[in-house]
Amino acid sequence: QSVLTQPPSVSGTPGQRVTISCSGSSSNIGSNSVNWYQQLPGTAPKLLIQSNSQRPSGVPDRFSGSKSVTSASLAISGLQSEDEADYYCAAWDASLNGYVFGTGTKVTVL
Amino acid sequence: EVQLVESGGGLVQPGGSLRLSCAASGFTFSSYWMTWVRQAPGKGLEWVANIKEDGREKYYVDSVKGRFTISRDNAKNSLYLQMNSLRGEDTAVYYCARGGKTVVSYWGQGTLVTVSS
Repeated sequence: QSVLTQPPSVSGTPGQRVTISCSGSSSNIGSNSVNWYQQLPGTAPKLLIQSNSQRPSGVPDRFSGSKSVTSASLAISGLQSEDEADYYCAAWDASLNGYVFGTGTKVTVL
Repeated sequence: EVQLVESGGGLVQPGGSLRLSCAASGFTFSSYWMTWVRQAPGKGLEWVANIKEDGREKYYVDSVKGRFTISRDNAKNSLYLQMNSLRGEDTAVYYCARGGKTVVSYWGQGTLVTVSS
């Protein structure tokens, strides 16, 4: 079972800003950096944000990440149709000794 | 260009075994932790196991401890997952990925494992 909690779904219209929350605990988000992944339908996940807020090369600056204590957020500004995907947060959990993923959030562009 | 190519998936009966392989290229394999992640049909991502650069440190999700074994051959740039005593709940796409504790970055395209009689 996932130890990082995300909303099942968020939606927005093109151009809008949406945010996805990721709630954890002191053993994961509270003591380790958070990464975010985008999974387009039928494809492998892709690293979107690493170390809480860093975008890997090639990721548009419409995507941004932040972290506060035991929670993290992913923001997508200027929402586009190609952003329709599942998004997952993840972090190392020192108590479980495992890399834990969030429950996942489906983003729908209306 | 980083490439990770999984193989070895297929249909297996409950209680059976399967060995997954992952061929890595485009980076210095022996310098990175490596990870297996799985995704059951229509479900979210689940970390399965990871292994340190030299193979001396390994971690597993509780549900596979004692049944799955992660290993690597740095001379062959390859990662493996030996899966024994397979159950229906092990049915999933299995992804090989580069990275370990801090970040799992590059992913392969996955190989499907179906456990069914």
